[in-house]
Amino acid sequence: AQSVSQHNHHVILSEAASLELGCNYSYGGTVNLFWYVQYPGQHLQLLLKYFSGDPLVKGIKGFEAEFIKSKFSFNLRKPSVQWSDTAEYFCAVRYSSASKIIFGSGTRLSIRP
Amino acid sequence: GAVVSQHPSWVICKSGTSVKIECRSLDFQATTMFWYRQFPKQSLMLMATSNEGSKATYEQGVEKDKFLINHASLTLSTLTVTSAHPEDSSFYICSARDRDSYEQYFGPGTRLTVT
Repeated sequence: AQSVSQHNHHVILSEAASLELGCNYSYGGTVNLFWYVQYPGQHLQLLLKYFSGDPLVKGIKGFEAEFIKSKFSFNLRKPSVQWSDTAEYFCAVRYSSASKIIFGSGTRLSIRP
Repeated sequence: GAVVSQHPSWVICKSGTSVKIECRSLDFQATTMFWYRQFPKQSLMLMATSNEGSKATYEQGVEKDKFLINHASLTLSTLTVTSAHPEDSSFYICSARDRDSYEQYFGPGTRLTVT
């Protein structure tokens, strides 16, 4: 079945620490991959997306993600987190441009000031 | 950039009543719109996919007679929660796919509280 999994339910880091959030999708073929962020009390925002081309994708707010096809993964990274990065992060996949976006269960990121 | 709006942003209703939520694509046309539901501290779960001018496709476990979806134009889709119950209280988020670019944009969500 089409699915996406995020293995980290809750991540707690100190400011300036490096971040990597895992994301795996269920099977190969052509996929569109996304990372969204939801700050407390706010609506969903797109951080970055991968459709094709360079597997290392840079997004907003210093985030980047790497698509590794052989591992069915699209991990999110940030070299140095800030307290303002405290939020819920969702990985999502779309198996074709004409299909629906499926969300992972989300990872809550808490940053200690 | 492309904007998707939802109205109302929050609504409180009594058990047994019906509530309509509107989703509009403001500067693009969307042949397809999606409705998601998000319970507190959980992920977004797709409820249904609506295509302009045709019946919506519901995900498994979603009652189509309870969650009525109408996509009458290329810029408007509505979700009506009929005979609402407290367990329907949730955050409802719509998403619209640009018919030209296939980019999918999300609305700000509607918080429904059923008392």
